[in-house]
Amino acid sequence: EAGVAQSPRYKIIEKRQSVAFWCNPISGHATLYWYQQILGQGPKLLIQFQNNGVVDDSQLPKDRFSAERLKGVDSTLKIQPAKLEDSAVYLCASSLGGVASDTQYFGPGTRLTVL
Amino acid sequence: GENVEQHPSTLSVQEGDSAVIKCTYSDSASNYFPWYKQELGKRPQLIIDIRSNVGEKKDQRIAVTLNKTAKHFSLHITETQPEDSAVYFCAVRGSGNTGKLIFGQGTTLQVKP
Repeated sequence: EAGVAQSPRYKIIEKRQSVAFWCNPISGHATLYWYQQILGQGPKLLIQFQNNGVVDDSQLPKDRFSAERLKGVDSTLKIQPAKLEDSAVYLCASSLGGVASDTQYFGPGTRLTVL
Repeated sequence: GENVEQHPSTLSVQEGDSAVIKCTYSDSASNYFPWYKQELGKRPQLIIDIRSNVGEKKDQRIAVTLNKTAKHFSLHITETQPEDSAVYFCAVRGSGNTGKLIFGQGTTLQVKP
């Protein structure tokens, strides 16, 4: 079974620039999550999709972050404009079934450095 | 909201010894408690999980215990090996129906050969 795919793996940008990350979940997984992992901390949920609908975006900084999941499969997360404090690893995860589905499988992450 | 505290932040053991990592949580309605292992530069990987209707679960050298009354759960690794060296994260799924996980701060485990 193929895992969660993410690209790019690394990205370096200047502050105030924009950046986009892509995630392809495990085939058949209805739920998709974007997490932000700052160095030395645990992952923090930014947004959760159930198919192509948003379930939870309470911790997404909506003035600069946006995400979409068109057609309920792939997802993109965008930051515009980026700030220094956005430097982190952005992890995508997916799980099989409904919103209460348990096991979340993580992708390799995108390491973002904002200079 | 849910708060998860994880201790210790670093743990160094000799190969063959046991390691124990503990997490406490605040929401008594939390119902699912996974543990993830993250090697340097790699993705978090689920190693064991436990649900609120179970007190203990074991998988070879790894076990998790849950004390719902005290609102804490622990990861136990026996006969540690150098390849167990990694960062371990506990997580808690709250009482809502979103499946959202709240992660602890992580424990860096070093197993010395």
